[in-house]
Amino acid sequence: GAVVSQHPSWVICKSGTSVKIECRSLDFQATTMFWYRQFPKQSLMLMATSNEGSKATYEQGVEKDKFLINHASLTLSTLTVTSAHPEDSSFYICSASQQNTEAFFGQGTRLTVV
Amino acid sequence: GENVEQHPSTLSVQEGDSAVIKCTYSDSASNYFPWYKQELGKRPQLIIDIRSNVGEKKDQRIAVTLNKTAKHFSLHITETQPEDSAVYFCAASMGRGSYIPTFGRGTSLIVHP
Repeated sequence: GAVVSQHPSWVICKSGTSVKIECRSLDFQATTMFWYRQFPKQSLMLMATSNEGSKATYEQGVEKDKFLINHASLTLSTLTVTSAHPEDSSFYICSASQQNTEAFFGQGTRLTVV
Repeated sequence: GENVEQHPSTLSVQEGDSAVIKCTYSDSASNYFPWYKQELGKRPQLIIDIRSNVGEKKDQRIAVTLNKTAKHFSLHITETQPEDSAVYFCAASMGRGSYIPTFGRGTSLIVHP
């Protein structure tokens, strides 16, 4: 299957700082990328959907000013957690999709805010 | 929007037994149903999927069935092995060109040797 690479795999940051997570589709052009959040022993919760060259669509309850998403090219989307707080600590996973195909997941980023 | 219910939340079986995980969905417009396996701390991996024009699909020890009328679909794993132990997620997608899936809550499968 297609390869989606996500970096970093884990990050520890101080409360109040910002963290950027990258999601790259390595061998295909992703028209759509998705960002999920996963708490321990829970399912994947969709945060936002981003289409290349346009603004991301955020799910209800997700603060767009806190979770900044940029999808500047067909192979790269970034999620920036701004002014991170301990409650933002979680496992963040991206996925990428070509039109009319299934989505492929990145390896995830474990964010710990101290 | 779509709502996906998944049961059971945990499933414990002996090696060699079969395991069945069931999901229901709410939106009749959903037409793509993937199943993912997620090992601890790793990314979900697609293991099998089914589209609404098919009632059953099989891949070695894994099979998925779909009942569109009842809006439910199931994952069947036969001859389970310890390496099958993981969390399994079902999903339903409305297929709006980009297949944005709605995930079930997950089933933690434990296969005892």
